[in-house]
Amino acid sequence: GAVVSQHPSRVICKSGTSVKIECRSLDFQATTMFWYRQFPKQSLMLMATSNEGSKATYEQGVEKDKFLINHASLTLSTLTVTSAHPEDSSFYICSARDGGSPVNSPLHFGNGTRLTVT
Amino acid sequence: AQTVTQSQPEMSVQEAETVTLSCTYDTSESDYYLFWYKQPPSRQMILVIRQEAYKQQNATENRFSVNFQKAAKSFSLKISDSQLGDAAMYFCAYATGANSKLTFGKGITLSVRP
Repeated sequence: GAVVSQHPSRVICKSGTSVKIECRSLDFQATTMFWYRQFPKQSLMLMATSNEGSKATYEQGVEKDKFLINHASLTLSTLTVTSAHPEDSSFYICSARDGGSPVNSPLHFGNGTRLTVT
Repeated sequence: AQTVTQSQPEMSVQEAETVTLSCTYDTSESDYYLFWYKQPPSRQMILVIRQEAYKQQNATENRFSVNFQKAAKSFSLKISDSQLGDAAMYFCAYATGANSKLTFGKGITLSVRP
């Protein structure tokens, strides 16, 4: 089945630094990717929708300058948390739409990235 | 805006018994999809079952089935013959398309007693 690889799975960084998280579709072309954030024992909140070759669409309340999303190819989207602060510590998950599958095909999820900002 | 409500934060079921997880949603759309996702401790999101709103027949996947009441905007998940591996967090989700952005409920933590 379709696989979405998310890297790194865990990252610890110091406050003020930037961290890049990659979401890669391994065997399909992902025309659209979604980035979610999940706090412990809470729901997944959509942060932004990433479309290949165009600017990402951010959800209300999500700072686009804080969470930079780049979807430069059909197999890779990146989320960069800039000037990270402890409150950015969370679990980040991506999901991808297979552009070559039927329209009723489900999304494919990555395994997530646990970010800890010290 | 669409909302998904899961009012039960936790449930427990005896192994081999049946459990039902509740979910309600709100939307003004007539065509949409509803999903149940399982998130085990590994935190991998696993699609359990989905329902197209235009289909009257309730979806089933082996031990998992749904009770979809469109007029009541209710979408509950029934797990039959519960197994220890069913223990996880379960999220109800809504989308306007099968592979569109998902709106998730708060989730419910299901524990299975041996």
